[in-house]
Amino acid sequence: DTGVSQNPRHKITKRGQNVTFRCDPISEHNRLYWYRQTLGQGPEFLTYFQNEAQLEKSRLLSDRFSAERPKGSFSTLEIQRTEQGDSAMYLCASSLALGRSYEQYFGPGTRLTVT
Amino acid sequence: SQKIEQNSEALNIQEGKTATLTCNYTNYSPAYLQWYRQDPGRGPVFLLLIRENEKEKRKERLKVTFDTTLKQSLFHITASQPADSATYLCALTSGGSYIPTFGRGTSLIVHP
Repeated sequence: DTGVSQNPRHKITKRGQNVTFRCDPISEHNRLYWYRQTLGQGPEFLTYFQNEAQLEKSRLLSDRFSAERPKGSFSTLEIQRTEQGDSAMYLCASSLALGRSYEQYFGPGTRLTVT
Repeated sequence: SQKIEQNSEALNIQEGKTATLTCNYTNYSPAYLQWYRQDPGRGPVFLLLIRENEKEKRKERLKVTFDTTLKQSLFHITASQPADSATYLCALTSGGSYIPTFGRGTSLIVHP
């Protein structure tokens, strides 16, 4: 399967703990995005990488959230000191920076539950 | 503020009919608009993209229209099938950006 993969698929954690999610994009895609989605809402943009450079972050992104893409391949999203309001589906997507290619390919998501 | 509106009520139709979903926006000048399909517990899947200078785009049983005067896109599925049942999201992107803003989606239920 050469699609976008995310791990873990589900994560249950206690409030105050740190969690880290991983995203492996489609291999030739150099753009990578993180989104958060809650029930009944569309995906909400968190941050975006082109290769290893983090080019944009949402103003809504708390400083408890950090993302990396160390070698321009996989990416990690870490949430420190989790809160119940962080419970959501975290989606990763990738796209190809070629011409004016805008379509994004999403992974299956990581569902986070903070108790 | 920028707003994207998709009908929050589910659309129920009979198999074989044409489903029409609406995406309205305000305070936005999108360079292009995309439609995605999302099944429960899964990530969105790209369906179609239409640019601001295009009126209509087709792909198999799917058709998208884009009216920048009305600030509206319509998404049609002809000869609908129960397998088309899903949530459909529209997403708008401004010129020079690669970051889409998604609507909340509309649930489509096709009854056999």
